[in-house]
Amino acid sequence: RKEVEQDPGPFNVPEGATVAFNCTYSNSASQSFFWYRQDCRKEPKLLMSVYSSGNEDGRFTAQLNRASQYISLLIRDSKLSDSATYLCVVSYNQGGKLIFGQGTELSVKP
Amino acid sequence: EPEVTQTPSHQVTQMGQEVILRCVPISNHLYFYWYRQILGQKVEFLVSFYNNEISEKSEIFDDQFSVERPDGSNFTLKIRSTKLEDSAMYFCASSDLSNQPQHFGDGTRLSIL
Repeated sequence: RKEVEQDPGPFNVPEGATVAFNCTYSNSASQSFFWYRQDCRKEPKLLMSVYSSGNEDGRFTAQLNRASQYISLLIRDSKLSDSATYLCVVSYNQGGKLIFGQGTELSVKP
Repeated sequence: EPEVTQTPSHQVTQMGQEVILRCVPISNHLYFYWYRQILGQKVEFLVSFYNNEISEKSEIFDDQFSVERPDGSNFTLKIRSTKLEDSAMYFCASSDLSNQPQHFGDGTRLSIL
């Protein structure tokens, strides 16, 4: 089983749509959780950390379910500029390595 | 906003040659990392570095790889004898505290011929 598994995608959505990404992780000892975005052939950029209580940043909402080992990202009112690959990332321990999912590609069309 | 910088942006090297990839982490950061991404694949961890020593390394990081922080600002990754399969994007990352997110440089594209 992969350590971090994401929806394979790609997701093709019209502008203004709501889109949800799902992610599962295999190690129950995982401590930190993040969503990064990656534009084509560029570096991963932190989108948001994911907290147990769930958190929101503008149009983006992240949820964590530790019992199910499941992480989600919801994007509301999607923009053309949201087109990118979204990476689900976990870390087992503080200061430790990041473990990346394979990413889910999002394409927002006019 | 402070950022992690990497040089060169693209390195082309003959197989068997040594290559050094350079990174300048964000200035007050204490934790440093190297990752790589082979084209079309996911980002993979190579090594983490804290307090002037390696804290963790992956199976990829074999005897051909080494890291160094030669001064107060640079963090380097050396590959001693490059192989074709070392061709990838190499990303440096840093964080200020152990529980803070890592910030990535814009990467070095390494092409081995």
